[in-house]
Amino acid sequence: GESVGLHLPTLSVQEGDNSIINCAYSNSASDYFIWYKQESGKGPQFIIDIRSNMDKRQGQRVTVLLNKTVKHLSLQIAATQPGDSAVYFCAASSGAGSYQLTFGKGTKLSVIP
Amino acid sequence: EADIYQTPRYLVIGTGKKITLECSQTMGHDKMYWYQQDPGMELHLIHYSYGVNSTEKGDLSSESTVSRIRTEHFPLTLESARPSHTSQYLCASSESKVPPYNEQFFGPGTRLTVL
Repeated sequence: GESVGLHLPTLSVQEGDNSIINCAYSNSASDYFIWYKQESGKGPQFIIDIRSNMDKRQGQRVTVLLNKTVKHLSLQIAATQPGDSAVYFCAASSGAGSYQLTFGKGTKLSVIP
Repeated sequence: EADIYQTPRYLVIGTGKKITLECSQTMGHDKMYWYQQDPGMELHLIHYSYGVNSTEKGDLSSESTVSRIRTEHFPLTLESARPSHTSQYLCASSESKVPPYNEQFFGPGTRLTVL
């Protein structure tokens, strides 16, 4: 089965700096990846997603990079703001028509003012 | 914006009680999911449904049951609550007919404490 893991459980960055959160997955058949942000007391919120036929996708202040060779993806947040403080999860869909997502453990991002 | 609702938001209950956690979505999504999440930890899929009258167990074994009689409603029931059931329960839904097909929209969660 699929397993998804994050490299660091916590990350502290200075306000205004860029943040990079990493994630690894195990199933080479995974074809869809998604990053969620979860604030305290709330459900996860969609940040950005990427399909396996792409290497990079950009949103507003966020970029996701996918390296299928080493089964690794990262989330980059530009000019990190206090409102970015949250737990970030990556999730992968195992492909083959599966609609299920396997979630990683989460990285808690703390922004230092 | 996702319109998916969960009630109650918080529940403290004694051991042995029967409880039902409610989840409703107004987006007409065909697929719905229940996850269990301990604080700060990953989400574990406990049940899912790909349509009315369709329910399946997820990867994490759970003593709960679910039903899907209507598209918009996906309640989760615990017949006899135990302290080991203390956790956060998250409901999600997704639409399989519109790309990207796998994006799941989450409700705010129900934090359950069993004494």
